[in-house]
This record gives sequence, structure tokens and C-alpha cells, in this order.
Amino acid sequence: IVLAQSPGTLSLSPGERATLSCRASQSVPKNYVAWYQQRPGQAPRLLIYTASSRATGIPDRFSGSGSGTDFTLTISRLEPEDFAVYYCHQHAYAPLTFGGGTRVEMK
Amino acid sequence: EVKLVESGGGLVQPGGSLRLSCAVFGFTSSDYWMHWVRQAPGKGPEWVANIKQDGSEEYYVDSVKGRFTISRDNAKNSLFLQMTGLRAEDTAVYYCARGSGWVSDYWGQGTLVTVSS
Repeated sequence: IVLAQSPGTLSLSPGERATLSCRASQSVPKNYVAWYQQRPGQAPRLLIYTASSRATGIPDRFSGSGSGTDFTLTISRLEPEDFAVYYCHQHAYAPLTFGGGTRVEMK
Repeated sequence: EVKLVESGGGLVQPGGSLRLSCAVFGFTSSDYWMHWVRQAPGKGPEWVANIKQDGSEEYYVDSVKGRFTISRDNAKNSLFLQMTGLRAEDTAVYYCARGSGWVSDYWGQGTLVTVSS
């Protein structure tokens, strides 16, 4: 399953809402799509799994939605620490795959 | 506290071999699938392989099939990746990750593998 993320870069200010998109080349069974955040020099951090379930310790400003082939990660109000790269990931079929990423940068 | 610590990375010539290790702490590894994921410089993550709790099932990305072997030692809470026939395109930071099912929920800090002459 190929995952296409858009936009490539999102330029926003703290406090604004961020909407990130992930489109799959075929329907993802059981909506097995996860979202990760990666800051420079760090490992990816799990935010969302199965499209909409928040991982342990993730603030509620992060939410996921979608089904089938179209999935969305929303950050309701950007905090300074949220400026990072975000990847979607399908965990339904091997080979597991990641999208190309969306960079959220400070305007 | 859940922690994963990779080791074994380094510089290797094309065609060479390397064995990566991952020690896990704060959970019982035999309860979880385990994964290797790599990230080439400036690129996104790429899943490499995973292994079932008892080692009875393994899956690989096509580009490493026949060259890499994932294994585990549950008695030592350890995960391994034996890499042979290394190529320049295998250059990456290699992460081990705990699988909650097939979702990688906790990751190590990674070990860098550089394939170059």
C-alpha cells in the first residue's frame, strides 16, 4: 500500500489549526493507519493508531480521522513543540509502509 | 519505563555483514511483536522486518529479503538483525521498535549503519 501525504510543507503560526492528509493507494483494512511525529535528531513518536485512537500520553489537541483510503491528522492549536515532521503509516499489510511526510514549520 | 537500546552499527564495506542488537527494558519482549525500521539520511522511515512473539513468523520488505534475518532471544529480552550483502542503499539509522500488534509504539534511539568503501 502506497501512502501519499499532503501538503509537503505546512507553514503556520502557534495557536493555528493544522490539517494533514494521507491518501492510500488502496483501502486500508480496519483503518489500520497510524500517525507519527518526528523532531530533529529523535526517533518517531506514535501519536495515533487505527486512524483515530490516541497513543498513551498524547495531548488531546491531536486527533485522527478517516477511513478507507483517506485519513487526516488534525492538530487543533499548534504549540511550539508541535513544529516537526509527521508521517502516516499503514499497519495492516506487510510490507508495512510509511508516507513521505508533512513538515509543519513555523511561519 | 519502556526503553529500547540498539547497538552494532558502524561503517562497513559494500558486500559486508553486520549484526544489530536491541536490548529491551521495562516490558517482557515475549509479549510483543518486534520490528526493525530504518531511516536513510533526510528520508522518511522504512519498515524493514518484524517477528512474532515466539519467533514463528517473520516478514521482510522486498529489498532486504534473502539478505537480512531478524531473530530474537526472549530469555535475554533481545532482538537482532543479521545483515549480509550490504549495499550503499542500506545506509540508514536502524531503529528497533516494540509492536503493539503491528503498530510500533515505542522506538529506540537508533544505530547508524554506513555502507561505503
